[in-house]
Amino acid sequence: AQKVTQAQTEISVVEKEDVTLDCVYETRDTTYYLFWYKQPPSGELVFLIRRNSFDEQNEISGRYSWNFQKSTSSFNFTITASQVVDSAVYFCALSGPNTGNQFYFGTGTSLTVIP
Amino acid sequence: DTEVTQTPKHLVMGMTNKKSLKCEQHMGHRAMYWYKQKAKKPPELMFVYSYEKLSINESVPSRFSPECPNSSLLNLHLHALQPEDSALYLCASSLGQGAVSGELFFGEGSRLTVL
Repeated sequence: AQKVTQAQTEISVVEKEDVTLDCVYETRDTTYYLFWYKQPPSGELVFLIRRNSFDEQNEISGRYSWNFQKSTSSFNFTITASQVVDSAVYFCALSGPNTGNQFYFGTGTSLTVIP
Repeated sequence: DTEVTQTPKHLVMGMTNKKSLKCEQHMGHRAMYWYKQKAKKPPELMFVYSYEKLSINESVPSRFSPECPNSSLLNLHLHALQPEDSALYLCASSLGQGAVSGELFFGEGSRLTVL
């Protein structure tokens, strides 16, 4: 079965703190893709990163970094020196042949950065 | 600015009304999607069009009727909706169907209220 678990429903941090959003997935596929999306209050889901199952290199983009570990089926997202503009709901998503190549979203983590 | 444009941004309708949601993209994408999102929940897939043909219908009630007039346009016709259909309706597009073709690009959504 395909499943994405984001155990943290809501997180609050003070501005400039680092924060890690957890994502754990389950899949029977050997080839699959993982994603992170940000949804600010405006509603649009903004693409952040796509990672395929054969690429376990961690990635850094500015204040954002991602840690992909197949051994623990996790794809965690860290924001360094958080800012108020980072306040949003963040969704982890999984896609692979067993989802009909469609996107299966986790339940999301609502992040509030307090100034 | 989003490259997927949805209109209207807000819609209020009665249960006997007929209305339509519209979505447009000019990125040359050949797959387009409708998602429904309730408050504090992840997006739920409704329909997928690939090369202007309906490829996935996630058992959506017939009061929702999708239409893809051409590769750039996607409509969702609404008729005899129920109050529980009130939600944010998100349109998305991707280069091809499925994550192997890349990520989903989302519009800002149409917030629907059914009275």
